[in-house]
Amino acid sequence: GENVEQHPSTLSVQEGDSAVIKCTYSDSASNYFPWYKQELGKRPQLIIDIRSNVGEKKDQRIAVTLNKTAKHFSLHITETQPEDSAVYFCAASKGNSGYSTLTFGKGTMLLVSP
Amino acid sequence: GAGVSQSPRYKVAKRGQDVALRCDPISGHVSLFWYQQALGQGPEFLTYFQNEAQLDKSGLPSDRFFAERPEGSVSTLKIQRTQQEDSAVYLCASSPRDSGANVLTFGAGSRLTVL
Repeated sequence: GENVEQHPSTLSVQEGDSAVIKCTYSDSASNYFPWYKQELGKRPQLIIDIRSNVGEKKDQRIAVTLNKTAKHFSLHITETQPEDSAVYFCAASKGNSGYSTLTFGKGTMLLVSP
Repeated sequence: GAGVSQSPRYKVAKRGQDVALRCDPISGHVSLFWYQQALGQGPEFLTYFQNEAQLDKSGLPSDRFFAERPEGSVSTLKIQRTQQEDSAVYLCASSPRDSGANVLTFGAGSRLTVL
């Protein structure tokens, strides 16, 4: 089955700096890669996702890049703010028709200091 | 409702007790997933429903775990004879039929503590 590795496990940055979180996956058939943000005690919320037919996607201060050959994808947050502090999870699945379960990484705790 | 609703939010059980966790998905969402999230870990898949049909239960850790969705909307995850290792947050997520690759909306979870 799919295996998703995520690093670093914790990341501390100063407000205004950039933050990068990296994930690798094992199943070359995976084609959907979402990123979820989870604040303490709250639900995981989808912040951005990318499908295998594109290499990069951007939404304001957040961007995701995908390298299918190397089987890795990354989350980039620019101009970090204290409210970006949370645990971020990457995930991978093979969903096209039918269904496919998401396999999650273990998470990265991002701490943004004012 | 506007989102995925789960209850109870917190449950403390004595070892050996049975518990039932409820999930009310977004209205009209065909797909429903249960995930288990241990402390400091990512969510791990338990089971999947498409309408009332349980199509995949490969993630259920033992036969003490049972899930149902009899009318294709509300789902219940039942854990019999709870053990300490069952302590975790149980997340429910739903997805619309035509979402392509699983754009999931999660509930806030039910935190189970087994003493």
